[in-house]
Amino acid sequence: DTEVTQTPKHLVMGMTNKKSLKCEQHMGHRAMYWYKQKAKKPPELMFVYSYEKLSINESVPSRFSPECPNSSLLNLHLHALQPEDSALYLCASSQSMSGGTYEQYFGPGTRLTVT
Amino acid sequence: AQSVTQPDIHITVSEGASLELRCNYSYGATPYLFWYVQSPGQGLQLLLKYFSGDTLVQGIKGFEAEFKRSQSSFNLRKPSVHWIDAADFFCALGLRGGNKLTFGGGTRVLVKP
Repeated sequence: DTEVTQTPKHLVMGMTNKKSLKCEQHMGHRAMYWYKQKAKKPPELMFVYSYEKLSINESVPSRFSPECPNSSLLNLHLHALQPEDSALYLCASSQSMSGGTYEQYFGPGTRLTVT
Repeated sequence: AQSVTQPDIHITVSEGASLELRCNYSYGATPYLFWYVQSPGQGLQLLLKYFSGDTLVQGIKGFEAEFKRSQSSFNLRKPSVHWIDAADFFCALGLRGGNKLTFGGGTRVLVKP
């Protein structure tokens, strides 16, 4: 099973709202990722968790707050977003970088619209 | 710093015709290379990967790619496309020992009947 699930599929939120995106994988992967993708562009890396610890933050604004409660779950907490934050948010997972395979498996994404 | 270039932004191909998508990379050593496909409104699906060894790599959905070190290329091919192959295709590069991917800008494939 190479499935990464994400909820919700669609989210519309106002600029003063607080919401969360959720991601889950059951492949035993120990690295999980959040990406942001704008239309007709490649995904842009936001955060990487390795063994449940934040290992990479690509200078993402603090209105995005990631959380990794356990090795299977990844959340992205959203607060006071701007309209330009509207995008497809993708979660991915991979084996750890110390040996083994390296490819990332992506979820279907959450389409976020900020009004 | 490493980079990935996909020279073709759009490609239109007739159903049943062959398809080749170009990917060029810039990196001082041998990278990990990947091709992903993204159907409209979907996430990215891994088509194939190259880590080492045989330079002709077979993937899913009838796709293959060839790694050419001398040309710093990793082009994707399919002998005969179907309408369902219409999608965005991304070439990506990964570094050994790291977990960041560098993506090319993508190529949108349109399939005409």
